[in-house]
Amino acid sequence: DAGITQSPRYKITETGRQVTLMCHQTWSHSYMFWYRQDLGHGLRLIYYSAAADITDKGEVPDGYVVSRSKTENFPLTLESATRSQTSVYFCASSDLAVNYGYTFGSGTRLTVV
Amino acid sequence: AQTVTQSQPEMSVQEAETVTLSCTYDTSESDYYLFWYKQPPSRQMILVIRQEAYKQQNATENRFSVNFQKAAKSFSLKISDSQLGDAAMYFCAYRSAKNYGGSQGNLIFGKGTKLSVKP
Repeated sequence: DAGITQSPRYKITETGRQVTLMCHQTWSHSYMFWYRQDLGHGLRLIYYSAAADITDKGEVPDGYVVSRSKTENFPLTLESATRSQTSVYFCASSDLAVNYGYTFGSGTRLTVV
Repeated sequence: AQTVTQSQPEMSVQEAETVTLSCTYDTSESDYYLFWYKQPPSRQMILVIRQEAYKQQNATENRFSVNFQKAAKSFSLKISDSQLGDAAMYFCAYRSAKNYGGSQGNLIFGKGTKLSVKP
């Protein structure tokens, strides 16, 4: 089905481990985003990408790495997970010329123990 | 930097009644977009309504409408004839119409308002 897919939906990992959250979209949207959602903070931008091979930091990038070698994929990697990175992570995409808003994935709930 | 403020962490409404969720924002820009997103317990983010700043007419989508006051930098959401399915977290969001080094698409969210609907 067309859309934006995040995987896994749930993940438990240990402190210090590397973990990668996947995001795949089928619309060829130029823009893709990663947000984290925490109680009392709403959604905060981690990284965004305006096109393949173009990425930039958002509001809370520390501890995260992204890449975008293909337009449709935008993985988010936690290089050494910490408990403060326990959160719900959302990937989103947008074609700014057509859709003023975003299309969101269903989110990944990550727990770091 | 732009900010979005939702001053009501929680709201409650009786089924079939009307409720208004508040949102204010701070920006020095004149051209931008505003959004309301709904997040039900399923966690999915659903676009409810959007408003272009250059349009004076308030946006409406079925039972959802906004009161956009550009001078006051206010963007409230009114839900009429509330239904049980309206219970969710609601987020107000801002997006610049200008492109600063590729950041044009970045949405800035408020902290959200949790809406409960009583039967």
